[in-house]
Amino acid sequence: DGGITQSPKYLFRKEGQNVTLSCEQNLNHDAMYWYRQDPGQGLRLIYYSQIVNDFQKGDIAEGYSVSREKKESFPLTVTSAQKNPTAFYLCASSTPGLAKNIQYFGAGTRLSVL
Amino acid sequence: QKEVEQDPGPLSVPEGAIVSLNCTYSNSAFQYFMWYRQYSRKGPELLMYTYSSGNKEDGRFTAQVDKSSKYISLFIRDSQPSDSATYLCAMSALQGAQKLVFGQGTRLTINP
Repeated sequence: DGGITQSPKYLFRKEGQNVTLSCEQNLNHDAMYWYRQDPGQGLRLIYYSQIVNDFQKGDIAEGYSVSREKKESFPLTVTSAQKNPTAFYLCASSTPGLAKNIQYFGAGTRLSVL
Repeated sequence: QKEVEQDPGPLSVPEGAIVSLNCTYSNSAFQYFMWYRQYSRKGPELLMYTYSSGNKEDGRFTAQVDKSSKYISLFIRDSQPSDSATYLCAMSALQGAQKLVFGQGTRLTINP
C-alpha cells in the first residue's frame, strides 16, 4: 500500500538531547513537509523540501534541522536548541502537476520531554 | 491578524443534523482550498479539495468557496457519530512553493 510512514509513534527526549523523527513515503512524491501541531492549534510549517538535496525553512524552523538525501525520506531532527519541543509532529508529501498543492499526511509522532 | 481564521469550537450537534464549518481568509492570492479531517491522535486526511470559487459535493459533504467574501464553508448532511473529529481548513496560492496555510481547526462532536 502506498503511503507515508512516520516513526516512532511516541518519542521521549531528555534535556540537552537531539532526537530524530523518521518520515518515509512510497508515493513517488517530489515535495515533503514537516509540521508541528500544538493542542487546539492548527499546523505550523517547520521545513519543506521540493526536491532531493534541497530544503527551505518554514515559519518555525529554529531548533530543528532536516536532510533530503533520498526522494523517499525526509528526517527531522529536534535539537537541544528547541526549548519547547513537546508537540505532535506531522510529515506530509504532495504530488507534482496541477494537484501539487494537495498534501497527504502520515500518522504523526508525539514528542514529549522527560 | 492571522491569514486564515477558523472558529476552534468545540461544536456539538445531535446525530442527523446539518453541520456548517467555516473559515475566513485575508490573502486574495489563495486559489486552492482544502478541508482535512483529523481524528484524535491521528494525521489529517484530505476530505475535500476545491480550486477557485464554486461548490463541490461528495456524498454527504459539500464544500463552498466564496472568493469575493474570502469565505469558505464545509457542510455535512445527515451527520453521524463517526464524523466526530477536528476539521481543518487549508489554502494556498496559485504560485509559490506549494505552502499550505491552515486554520486552527474546529473540534466537532456528533451526539447519538
